[in-house]
Amino acid sequence: AQSVTQPDIHITVSEGASLELRCNYSYGATPYLFWYVQSPGQGLQLLLKYFSGDTLVQGIKGFEAEFKRSQSSFNLRKPSVHWSDAAEYFCAPWGGYQKVTFGTGTKLQVIP
Amino acid sequence: NAGVTQTPKFRVLKTGQSMTLLCAQDMNHEYMYWYRQDPGMGLRLIHYSVGEGTTAKGEVPDGYNVSRLKKQNFLLGLESAAPSQTSVYFCASSKLQVERGTYEQYFGPGTRLTVT
Repeated sequence: AQSVTQPDIHITVSEGASLELRCNYSYGATPYLFWYVQSPGQGLQLLLKYFSGDTLVQGIKGFEAEFKRSQSSFNLRKPSVHWSDAAEYFCAPWGGYQKVTFGTGTKLQVIP
Repeated sequence: NAGVTQTPKFRVLKTGQSMTLLCAQDMNHEYMYWYRQDPGMGLRLIHYSVGEGTTAKGEVPDGYNVSRLKKQNFLLGLESAAPSQTSVYFCASSKLQVERGTYEQYFGPGTRLTVT
């Protein structure tokens, strides 16, 4: 069965510190991979996506993610977190059939 | 270009009442989706549509019906609301995937529904 896991429900980092949010998936073949961000009271916005090619992809707002086939992971990173990055982040693999599976999300809190 | 819009933004229903949520997109997207978001559960797909006049069940379709009479609109109906349907509902749309790299979803701002 296809599944996605975001093991961290809640993460707190200091402003200026680095960030890594974990995402692991289980699919028969390598899916397309997405990260979305949801600010409080808002809809989801695409941060970045991976389809093929270079395993390190750059997104908006200074985020990047690295696809590691051997680990079935697509972790999201940012070198220096800003207070405005406080939000909930969703990993979303897509294995076909016009449907995307969303992870349960990781809430990021940024402290001064 | 408004993107994806949802009406209404908030609604409170009594158990047994009915209502329709409207989603509209102006990007000429083929695919449209309805999700519900509950704490700790991410987004779960209720129904989706791959084109005008077509709909399909998602992960949690029970208690909901949908219609896509026009390409730009996707309606979600609750015929007899239950407290378990208290949630935030998101609509999304996406292009018809013609080639790799063109698929991503665009989301509306959500509808917060409370059923008492």
